[in-house]
Amino acid sequence: TQLLEQSPQFLSIQEGENLTVYCNSSSVFSSLQWYRQEPGEGPVLLVTVVTGGEVKKLKRLTFQFGDARKDSSLHITAAQPGDTGLYLCAGVRGYQKVTFGTGTKLQVIP
Amino acid sequence: KAGVTQTPRYLIKTRGQQVTLSCSPISGHRSVSWYQQTPGQGLQFLFEYFSETQRNKGNFPGRFSGRQFSNSRSEMNVSTLELGDSALYLCASSLGGAQTSYEQYFGPGTRLTVT
Repeated sequence: TQLLEQSPQFLSIQEGENLTVYCNSSSVFSSLQWYRQEPGEGPVLLVTVVTGGEVKKLKRLTFQFGDARKDSSLHITAAQPGDTGLYLCAGVRGYQKVTFGTGTKLQVIP
Repeated sequence: KAGVTQTPRYLIKTRGQQVTLSCSPISGHRSVSWYQQTPGQGLQFLFEYFSETQRNKGNFPGRFSGRQFSNSRSEMNVSTLELGDSALYLCASSLGGAQTSYEQYFGPGTRLTVT
């Protein structure tokens, strides 16, 4: 059973476009993380959100944790080719039990 | 500060063999988690070790096992390899204390191919 569903699964956009990736669950998480993974490498942590409704910005990336702490979104403004990769959300429940989302593969075309 | 290292990076084994993968966490990190990543199933949690004890376990058969040493280095072992065990095996380290955020830092992974 996949507890964290991400949408869309695949996204191919032109450089300069905006996009939003969603991470949804029926479970409540104590915190939620976003990672980016490039081919042949391990995921790299981008951000952790802890409080319901919290918004964090990392340059052109904006992360939001849902009010009920069951969902999150990642918005990228003016996407660049360097943003290409697999984006993974991960929910933390209980004592350090982490569940990863299904992943969103993003390709930004120059 | 050095990152998480995993050895070997690539491995080819045949069905029925066993394999041991190694992970060295970031200095000062006491928790090591192992994950299996495949195109079909995504990133699946195997187990987590903290201070040489297995603290959490995912839903994998007993052929998958691990251990952690006193210096926090960890190994995972897969016995009686099956074709379906072909995957990228990722190790992640974290401080491991009581944290709400539980931030993990991943190694580059070991690509295991079973033929």
